Amino acid sequence: DAGVTQSPTHLIKTRGQHVTLRCSPISGHKSVSWYQQVLGQGPQFIFQYYEKEERGRGNFPDRFSARQFPNYSSELNVNALLLGDSALYLCASSLGTGGFQTQYFGPGTRLLVL
Amino acid sequence: QKEVEQDPGPLSVPEGAIVSLNCTYSNSAFQYFMWYRQYSRKGPELLMYTYSSGNKEDGRFTAQVDKSSKYISLFIRDSQPSDSATYLCAMSDGRGSTLGRLYFGRGTQLTVWP
Repeated sequence: DAGVTQSPTHLIKTRGQHVTLRCSPISGHKSVSWYQQVLGQGPQFIFQYYEKEERGRGNFPDRFSARQFPNYSSELNVNALLLGDSALYLCASSLGTGGFQTQYFGPGTRLLVL
Repeated sequence: QKEVEQDPGPLSVPEGAIVSLNCTYSNSAFQYFMWYRQYSRKGPELLMYTYSSGNKEDGRFTAQVDKSSKYISLFIRDSQPSDSATYLCAMSDGRGSTLGRLYFGRGTQLTVWP
């Protein structure tokens, strides 16, 4: 079975630009979460979506936004990029129902902002 | 004070050693405890998942949770060079609006040398 997939794998942008990252969850999973992992740190929660609705939001500025599509795939958008946005962006999927669900991570998109 | 504290290491052990990895936390509402393994430049891979206090064993891996001390551990027996990775603890309160949010430690970098 295919796991969580993310695209692109790597991305280089300059300050002020906009970026869109994409994620496809495990088949049958309806919830997608996004995390930011800065080098040497653990992942930090950005968003969670379930059935196209935002279920949770972490402590990130409004420059970060996301959405989920009818096929449960998701996009993370970041506007007005800053140098500090350079990180590994991880997508995780879970079943999304029945209380707490374990999350399975994709390989991530490595973003470098110059 | 961060909600989850984890010694970043690095930790270097010979093949066959018993490895002990630990995290402490401050939020008494955490009920779900996970260990993820992350190889260099990859996404985190779920190793163990424990609910509430107690022990859980899976092959060479044992997870322990002591909620009274707000302390969790992962033990690796007969460590192998292939265990060389960063180990991340993660936890959740599994409630309401924070249902899908995982709180991570910064990870412990482990090297097992032959």
